Amino acid sequence: GAVVSQHPSWVICKSGTSVKIECRSLDFQATTMFWYRQFPKQSLMLMATSNEGSKATYEQGVEKDKFLINHASLTLSTLTVTSAHPEDSSFYICSARGGQGFTGELFFGEGSRLTVL
Amino acid sequence: DAKTTQPPSMDCAEGRAANLPCNHSTISGNEYVYWYRQIHSQGPQYIIHGLKNNETNEMASLIITEDRKSSTLILPHATLRDTAVYYCIVRNNNAGNMLTFGGGTRLMVKP
Repeated sequence: GAVVSQHPSWVICKSGTSVKIECRSLDFQATTMFWYRQFPKQSLMLMATSNEGSKATYEQGVEKDKFLINHASLTLSTLTVTSAHPEDSSFYICSARGGQGFTGELFFGEGSRLTVL
Repeated sequence: DAKTTQPPSMDCAEGRAANLPCNHSTISGNEYVYWYRQIHSQGPQYIIHGLKNNETNEMASLIITEDRKSSTLILPHATLRDTAVYYCIVRNNNAGNMLTFGGGTRLMVKP
């Protein structure tokens, strides 16, 4: 399948700082990427849809000024958690639709575990 | 996207076939059935998808009923590494269409 890579895989930060998570499609171009977060023992919840060259679309209840998304190229989307607080501690996962040769399946990164102290 | 219903958990003996059911009675004609799994602390992994016909790949087989209201994912010879949460999702294949995850089935493969 297509490869999606996230970095960092885990990060610990102090409350009030900002953290950037990168999502890359390694062997295909992705005009659309999706950002999810997952709290312990819960399912994945969609946060936003990231579109290359345009503004992201956020799900209801997700603060766009807190979770900044940039999709400046066809292979990279970034999620910045600004002024992080302990309640932002979560597992953040990105996904991208497979490129040419695939029939619609989405592929996911390894996830990035954020712990805010 | 149509809603799916899966049992919250299942056990399977190592080496035996694991049959994971999914109900999607409100599926519409242009919606596919997708299966993903998530091993603890990892991102979801694509397994298989289908529209009407049964599908098979190196990981699993997908059996879709004729009325498309339910499906079964079959892992023919489950191993301990198949222990994971399995998600059944229905969606159409529009370019911007995301996946909506439900609760999934927690499969425990036991020695």
